[in-house]
Amino acid sequence: DIQMTQSPSTLSASVGDRVTITCRASQSLNIWLAWYQQKPGKAPNLLIHRASNLKSGVPSRFSGSGSGTEFTLTISSLLPDDFATYYCQQYYDSSPGFGQGTKVEIK
Amino acid sequence: EAQLVESGGGLVQPGGSLRLSCAASGFIFNHHYMDWVRQAPGKGLEWVGRIRTKDRSYSTQYAASVKGRFTISRDDSNNSVFLQMNSLKTEDTAVYYCAKVDGDYPDSDGDWRGVFDIWGQGSMVAVSS
Repeated sequence: DIQMTQSPSTLSASVGDRVTITCRASQSLNIWLAWYQQKPGKAPNLLIHRASNLKSGVPSRFSGSGSGTEFTLTISSLLPDDFATYYCQQYYDSSPGFGQGTKVEIK
Repeated sequence: EAQLVESGGGLVQPGGSLRLSCAASGFIFNHHYMDWVRQAPGKGLEWVGRIRTKDRSYSTQYAASVKGRFTISRDDSNNSVFLQMNSLKTEDTAVYYCAKVDGDYPDSDGDWRGVFDIWGQGSMVAVSS
């Protein structure tokens, strides 16, 4: 199985901050990586696929980059609505796998 | 609007069984693989399993943690997918989500890989004596 590791586990930030979350895979994924946002009590919501393709309707302050084994999700300027938990997910393998999540909390 | 609505969760004793249902609307259901993903209280997301489409013989695939105990099926005539959970353990306690797979690329065998673009609202399953 492909192991997915996110860092940090928790990130404290303020409105307006630029934040970056890293996701590393135990083997190359090419570009087959997605990012999701999840708010408490809600289902996850797809933000990015193919490592850097923004889903239609997702604000442009979100961006993704990377390929192979290292990927990043960047929020250019945090808004109050962005405080949530973020998960990466690999779909290179027929058994999809998620990172453990990064909680973005208010400093 | 594409939508998934789950039902069937509840409290069950260890060793018991439960069946979750997921009703789809707003998209061509029989064109898509359907997955189940779960989330234990306060924990991250865990993929549970997948059922493919008719052209892939409705083949299924499961996480090692549930293989042999859980079974995924689908009814394309009623736009529904099901998760039959047997021999439940306390560690199966979680919110269970059904999710639509949006195929992004086919592998060398023609098996689609994709992301979860539509999710159900989640159904809570509690396994406790």
